[in-house]
Amino acid sequence: DTAVSQTPKYLVTQMGNDKSIKCEQNLGHDTMYWYKQDSKKFLKIMFSYNNKELIINETVPNRFSPKSPDKAHLNLHINSLELGDSAVYFCASSQDHRDLEAFFGQGTRLTVV
Amino acid sequence: QKEVEQDPGPLSVPEGAIVSLNCTYSNSAFQYFMWYRQYSRKGPELLMYTYSSGNKEDGRFTAQVDKSSKYISLFIRDSQPSDSATYLCAIPSNTGKLIFGQGTTLQVKP
Repeated sequence: DTAVSQTPKYLVTQMGNDKSIKCEQNLGHDTMYWYKQDSKKFLKIMFSYNNKELIINETVPNRFSPKSPDKAHLNLHINSLELGDSAVYFCASSQDHRDLEAFFGQGTRLTVV
Repeated sequence: QKEVEQDPGPLSVPEGAIVSLNCTYSNSAFQYFMWYRQYSRKGPELLMYTYSSGNKEDGRFTAQVDKSSKYISLFIRDSQPSDSATYLCAIPSNTGKLIFGQGTTLQVKP
């Protein structure tokens, strides 16, 4: 029974397209995150939601828009995809925004061609 | 200067070796220090964390913090091929976000 699940696992798309990645957690956690991991394995936070409210919004292009319909779900929509958006995107959750331990999903490998 | 810096490796050792993985950080206010392990094509998972200075041991793994040098280490004793993974140090900032090092890729050869 997967704790944090993301779909799709792989996504290959052309430049200029719009795509969404979905994330769900069944841990009962209040806080969810989106991270981006580049080709050099550097992992950086993009957004954080606590109980459906945005609490962290790093310097991310406006083309990226997160949406949390409820505290168990956090989706990421990306408009006008660019080559530089190619990366692995990880969803994660934690008990609350003060909790140290984040539980990560398996990642969505996005390739923009 | 990055807030958290980590040598990306790769690091290759024979089975049974002692492995030392290290990170440096810039903000002396940081109090918690974490190590995540990431297997290939998987998400990171928390391995262990320490608070302030000192050592913490968990089986074959020892985390060490030297706040005076702003240096954190993870030691793996009797390394096994199953330890082959990328190890990321992570430090929670005072704004609640985790700041990750670049990760060190470790390969333990049988």
